[in-house]
Amino acid sequence: DAKTTQPPSMDCAEGRAANLPCNHSTISGNEYVYWYRQIHSQGPQYIIHGLKNNETNEMASLIITEDRKSSTLILPHATLRDTAVYYCIGGFGNEKLTFGTGTRLTIIP
Amino acid sequence: GAVVSQHPSRVICKSGTSVKIECRSLDFQATTMFWYRQFPKQSLMLMATSNEGSKATYEQGVEKDKFLINHASLTLSTLTVTSAHPEDSSFYICSARDSVGQFFGPGTRLTVL
Repeated sequence: DAKTTQPPSMDCAEGRAANLPCNHSTISGNEYVYWYRQIHSQGPQYIIHGLKNNETNEMASLIITEDRKSSTLILPHATLRDTAVYYCIGGFGNEKLTFGTGTRLTIIP
Repeated sequence: GAVVSQHPSRVICKSGTSVKIECRSLDFQATTMFWYRQFPKQSLMLMATSNEGSKATYEQGVEKDKFLINHASLTLSTLTVTSAHPEDSSFYICSARDSVGQFFGPGTRLTVL
């Protein structure tokens, strides 16, 4: 798996967009960027993944830079329930995933 | 997304006993499942890869005789913590792979007294 770097913590006001950055400068050409989140005392929840193109689903948007060295996860309208640890992982979903320390996102009322 | 369940959600046992944790893929078949462990305020650490019909592959430092893994069907993998001790107290999480990616169970909190 590619090594990823994320800020340890971020705050975001409720109702605003939360933008979570991730650096993955060593990612290989065919490795995906996966985002998961973990709410306290629960298993990780899949959010989104992408290879080269930007992706959007009902939970979030994923913006990947053209050189694929970094990406940003966007939660368009953050709610208190989005408070969690967010993990950015480079790799293949059908192989083992290596979790880093992630970003602890706190949504402020 | 695909649904993965775990049972039990939490278990408390005495030191020296064995505990079995089940991981099931509910709406898909999974030839490969993964077992993770998470200590308080730490990230998930992969313990082993469970392959249906064959032996599990353990990560370095994980004792295979301590953590027995059985993947007897395409929807069920079990992790047995043998002769559990207080240092085995942790949050155990499984994941299963489908054609899209990996999906995680809700976790099992093990407390060994």
